[in-house]
Amino acid sequence: EADIYQTPRYLVIGTGKKITLECSQTMGHDKMYWYQQDPGMELHLIHYSYGVNSTEKGDLSSESTVSRIRTEHFPLTLESARPSHTSQYLCASSESTGGNTGELFFGEGSRLTVL
Amino acid sequence: GNSVTQMEGPVTLSEEAFLTINCTYTATGYPSLFWYVQYPGEGLQLLLKATKADDKGSNKGFEATYRKETTSFHLEKGSVQVSDSAVYFCALSDLDDYKLSFGAGTTVTVRA
Repeated sequence: EADIYQTPRYLVIGTGKKITLECSQTMGHDKMYWYQQDPGMELHLIHYSYGVNSTEKGDLSSESTVSRIRTEHFPLTLESARPSHTSQYLCASSESTGGNTGELFFGEGSRLTVL
Repeated sequence: GNSVTQMEGPVTLSEEAFLTINCTYTATGYPSLFWYVQYPGEGLQLLLKATKADDKGSNKGFEATYRKETTSFHLEKGSVQVSDSAVYFCALSDLDDYKLSFGAGTTVTVRA
């Protein structure tokens, strides 16, 4: 069982609010990822990190930002939420290079609704 | 670049029916291939994987074989149960960049 945790699981907020979605893993993985899942269930990579102080934008442009100050923690922030940000956000991590087969371990997701 | 094409859903089956979900891929190197499952209200869980050609991944009665000649990784289960109702994602990992490319997902509903 993967040890990767996301909070909150569900969040309903008003337009213009700042929100942070938390993601933590206890497996010591270097690589971490944020995916956005649209209502049609497709997954889009929006951010990733290959280690502390390393962050990159993914394939889908996003107004959110991320930080990686500690190995185990990869929070995602929206400075001013809008209804178009309503979605499910999935955090994932993968092993360090030596044992990596490419498998990602996912958290249970954070479902954000912006009114 | 890498891409995954997955059979469109939704798929509705009766219990004990045979399930096949087709998945083909395009990749420049020698990727690892995965099937992930997402049950209602949950995150993604790895169902099975194969890391090289002709490998067969299997788990919970599901199987998929890595076919390099047809660039395919079709998922099969001989007798589905109601508890198999979920969204299934085929995915590919290029070990040059350690990112997964996902298919669009196939929603499977199994009726009792």
